[in-house]
Amino acid sequence: EVQLVESGGGFVKPGGSLRLSCVASGIIFPKAWVSWVRQAPAKGLELVGRIKPNSDGGTTDFATPVKGRFIMSRDDSRDTVYLQMNRLKIEDTGVYYCTTNYDYWGQGTLVTVSS
Amino acid sequence: DVVMTQSPLSLPVTLGQPASISCRSSQSLVYTDGYSYLNWFLQRPGQSPRRLIKKVSDRDSGVPDRFRGSGSGTDFTLNITRVEAEDIGVYYCMQGTHWPLTFGGGTKVEIK
Repeated sequence: EVQLVESGGGFVKPGGSLRLSCVASGIIFPKAWVSWVRQAPAKGLELVGRIKPNSDGGTTDFATPVKGRFIMSRDDSRDTVYLQMNRLKIEDTGVYYCTTNYDYWGQGTLVTVSS
Repeated sequence: DVVMTQSPLSLPVTLGQPASISCRSSQSLVYTDGYSYLNWFLQRPGQSPRRLIKKVSDRDSGVPDRFRGSGSGTDFTLNITRVEAEDIGVYYCMQGTHWPLTFGGGTKVEIK
């Protein structure tokens, strides 16, 4: 059974940082394209970014609202992807989901940015 | 960015009756390989999204055949042949052809 488990969410003030983790099980993780999708309260889904497998260069791509502030990395030895979120803004508030190829999703972790 | 426009915003349905959701993209979703990467997701209340359909009409594993996707170019449709209670939630289309991938605003399907 495939499982994705996010963690690391919490409360942070504007300008602060958080690091989210996504731990996978039940898949061949080194081959997985992993994306982060967020959902502001009572709003729709928004792509944050993605990281390719190291076999495809391990490169990352981000949506415009987070480009230059968010960093994604992966540790295949731990079946884990990280989302480092810097210079957080109020509008970054929401539930952050990780997903592999959009077929498997985690339960999400809540990030609240507020003064 | 490609804008995905869904309609209607809200869809009251009667159990056992059909339902239809439209999704339009601001650009053609045909990729260089000839496929259109148009996906449909359902997010039930309090749950994570679940993909139902990929590449316009391919149902994901375990998805009932009452869910049918169709369309081409910039116009796509999700049809539910007979709505069941478990189909209630918000449906999203998402294009995977152009970066950044973008979602429609969602269609809330609720019991009439």
